Amino acid sequence: KAGVTQTPRYLIKTRGQQVTLSCSPISGHRSVSWYQQTPGQGLQFLFEYFSETQRNKGNFPGRFSGRQFSNSRSEMNVSTLELGDSALYLCASSLGTGGVNTDTQYFGPGTRLTVL
Amino acid sequence: KNQVEQSPQSLIILEGKNCTLQCNYTVSPFSNLRWYKQDTGRGPVSLTIMTFSENTKSNGRYTATLDADTKQSSLHITASQLSDSASYICVVSAGNTGFQKLVFGTGTRLLVSP
Repeated sequence: KAGVTQTPRYLIKTRGQQVTLSCSPISGHRSVSWYQQTPGQGLQFLFEYFSETQRNKGNFPGRFSGRQFSNSRSEMNVSTLELGDSALYLCASSLGTGGVNTDTQYFGPGTRLTVL
Repeated sequence: KNQVEQSPQSLIILEGKNCTLQCNYTVSPFSNLRWYKQDTGRGPVSLTIMTFSENTKSNGRYTATLDADTKQSSLHITASQLSDSASYICVVSAGNTGFQKLVFGTGTRLLVSP
């Protein structure tokens, strides 16, 4: 069974641009979560999508948005990029049906975004 | 304030030795606690998930413990191998139903030296 895939793996943008990252979950998984990881802040939760609906959201500004398609693939968009957005963006998929959320999340390799 | 603190920040041990990583949390209401291993340049991999009623869970040479009264967890690595060199992240879920709020520790960076 294929794991979580993320594209692109590396990306370089300049301030003010926008970027779209893509995540394909494990087959059969309906939940996709996005995280930002930086050396200073560690892992931070961005948002989670389940069945094409945003089910939960972290404390990030509105410049960060996402969506999920009917095949569970998800995209994350960051508009008006800032230097501080440079980070590793990780996507994780899970079945998403855990009532107390004991689902195991499977992470992709991440997209490393550098903003110049 | 929901917080997860991990110690030590970094650790160097000799191959074959055991080690224990600590995670203290102030998260309410507690739902579950997970330990992840993250190799450099890769996404985290789940090692264990423990709910309130579980106090020990093993995954091969990794054994996690949870003391819900003191709000502490530990990850014990037995007979360390070079491949154990990685960051270990403790994540606590807060909430009762649905998708809970995840609170992340900043991780312990472990280096296993030959």
